[in-house]
Amino acid sequence: DQQVKQNSPSLSVQEGRISILNCDYTNSMFDYFLWYKKYPAEGPTFLISISSIKDKNEDGRFTVFLNKSAKHLSLHIVPSQPGDSAVYFCAARSGGSNYKLTFGKGTLLTVNP
Amino acid sequence: DAGVIQSPRHEVTEMGQEVTLRCKPISGHDYLFWYRQTMMRGLELLIYFNNNVPIDDSGMPEDRFSAKMPNASFSTLKIQPSEPRDSAVYFCASSSTLGQGNTEAFFGQGTRLTVV
Repeated sequence: DQQVKQNSPSLSVQEGRISILNCDYTNSMFDYFLWYKKYPAEGPTFLISISSIKDKNEDGRFTVFLNKSAKHLSLHIVPSQPGDSAVYFCAARSGGSNYKLTFGKGTLLTVNP
Repeated sequence: DAGVIQSPRHEVTEMGQEVTLRCKPISGHDYLFWYRQTMMRGLELLIYFNNNVPIDDSGMPEDRFSAKMPNASFSTLKIQPSEPRDSAVYFCASSSTLGQGNTEAFFGQGTRLTVV
């Protein structure tokens, strides 16, 4: 049973345009959500996060939106750059002292020059 | 800090052999995680430790898999005997709960395991 789902395996956008990556979750106990970026032959690196008490968090070109009622979050990248081309993983954590992260399968973003 | 260090980067072994993957977490981090990445299942958590104690090993696929953390700066993931279906990239990650309980985990570069 996949608790964190990224239904789009890949996404292609033009440089300068907006990239929107989506993530859905099923576990209502998740209280913290993260996005990671992964380049080939490297480990995932943390990008941005959001607590369940917020609906938006922004960091430079990256914004994460959380819709708790829909159990949906999205990552917006504006403007997209070729260096953003990577696999993006959505992750979620349950509440309390459990620091275990559950990951989606990832979305491959390709930004074309 | 050099980040999370994993060794080896690549491992090719024959079916039935024992494989040991190693991890050095970031100094001062009190959580350590072992993940496995495959095309079919994505990134799945195998086991994690808090202060060197295993907390949740429900993701360990079989008894052939075992993990230890003898001290705060070293962990191993062992597969004995290895099988071709164990071929995957294995990641180690660590995080700290100091301060505001940030759950951002820092990942190593991974070990690509191929069992032939």
